[in-house]
Amino acid sequence: GAGVSQSPSNKVTEKGKDVELRCDPISGHTALYWYRQSLGQGLEFLIYFQGNSAPDKSGLPSDRFSAERTGGSVSTLTIQRTQQEDSAVYLCASSLGYRGRNTEAFFGQGTRLTVV
Amino acid sequence: SQQGEEDPQALSIQEGENATMNCSYKTSINNLQWYRQNSGRGLVHLILIRSNEREKHSGRLRVTLDTSKKSSSLLITASRAADTASYFCATDKNTDKLIFGTGTRLQVFP
Repeated sequence: GAGVSQSPSNKVTEKGKDVELRCDPISGHTALYWYRQSLGQGLEFLIYFQGNSAPDKSGLPSDRFSAERTGGSVSTLTIQRTQQEDSAVYLCASSLGYRGRNTEAFFGQGTRLTVV
Repeated sequence: SQQGEEDPQALSIQEGENATMNCSYKTSINNLQWYRQNSGRGLVHLILIRSNEREKHSGRLRVTLDTSKKSSSLLITASRAADTASYFCATDKNTDKLIFGTGTRLQVFP
């Protein structure tokens, strides 16, 4: 595709349910990022994939959060047993990610998650 | 914790005026980038400056980087109402992970 695609664009879920958020990065981009943004706040780093390296999971807020990237392309962010504080916009980005020479990141339009 | 902090948090100016936003960060970096966000959704890349560069221009944008002070500034000249948005700086270290600052909300009045 021409850009980074995220689905769904909006998700309303009941507290305690599991949700899966999907990100399709730009073809050929080896780096993929997930961020979380609460209303009016900055971007909170969650997880970073770079090629075949082990992902940097240092930003995941709890063990209810997990992410995987299959075949170096599509990524899924899973939130188990959702809580109201998980409500936010979840943003995915990808970049060419040359080691030591970072390049611009291209963002999807995000998934707005509302936990009721 | 956030690597970068922007100031001011919010800025309101009239069309035609210049807007200056600052970003401070805590550790050494490879690159610093500035992004723009409209309406709380996807961010758009504006400009990237490498740690060995001091100034960079792109159209009405001018970015400076002072690695000794661990700070950067973004100047938008002759602002327009369409420049109204949130602006974020992002830094990366050797791990390439991009960490974003807290953002500046810019309002340009016609």
